[in-house]
Amino acid sequence: DTGVSQDPRHKITKRGQNVTFRCDPISEHNRLYWYRQTLGQGPEFLTYFQNEAQLEKSRLLSDRFSAERPKGSFSTLEIQRTEQGDSAMYLCASSSPGQNTGELFFGEGSRLTVL
Amino acid sequence: GQQLNQSPQSMFIQEGEDVSMNCTSSSIFNTWLWYKQDPGEGPVLLIALYKAGELTSNGRLTAQFGITRKDSFLNISASIPSDVGIYFCAGIYNQGGKLIFGQGTELSVKP
Repeated sequence: DTGVSQDPRHKITKRGQNVTFRCDPISEHNRLYWYRQTLGQGPEFLTYFQNEAQLEKSRLLSDRFSAERPKGSFSTLEIQRTEQGDSAMYLCASSSPGQNTGELFFGEGSRLTVL
Repeated sequence: GQQLNQSPQSMFIQEGEDVSMNCTSSSIFNTWLWYKQDPGEGPVLLIALYKAGELTSNGRLTAQFGITRKDSFLNISASIPSDVGIYFCAGIYNQGGKLIFGQGTELSVKP
């Protein structure tokens, strides 16, 4: 399967612990996005990379959140000192330079539950 | 910030019926897109619209980019059980900007 891959699919953690999610985009895609989705809501933008450069960050991305894409391929999203309000689905998406903006390919998401 | 208001929030229809849902905004958007999300999956792009007034079809799906650039609708004709899911409108309000999603319309289809 050559789609966007996310790992892990599910993570249950205790409040205060750190968690890290990984996203492998479609191989030729240079743009990578992170979104967060809570129950009954649409995805909310968190951050966006073009190659290894992080070009935009939402105000939703507090100091406890950090995203990296060191070699312009896979990306990681780390949440430090997790809080119950961080419980959500974290979606990764990618797009290629040849595509019109907005045409994103999403992964299946990483569901986080903070107890 | 920019928000997209989707309606209805949910729909319960009989198989074979046509469906219509829409999305409005107080701001002008340059691009409108419609995505579908199945349970436990990420959203999948259905239709993308890039010009005001544009009407685009994808099989039984038809979507339009409103002439005021502040709204869009999605129609599904002759619904089938696999149309069940959550439909999201999404838009971009400035060139190179991020994609903003509506709250979704949950569609249920009775066989």
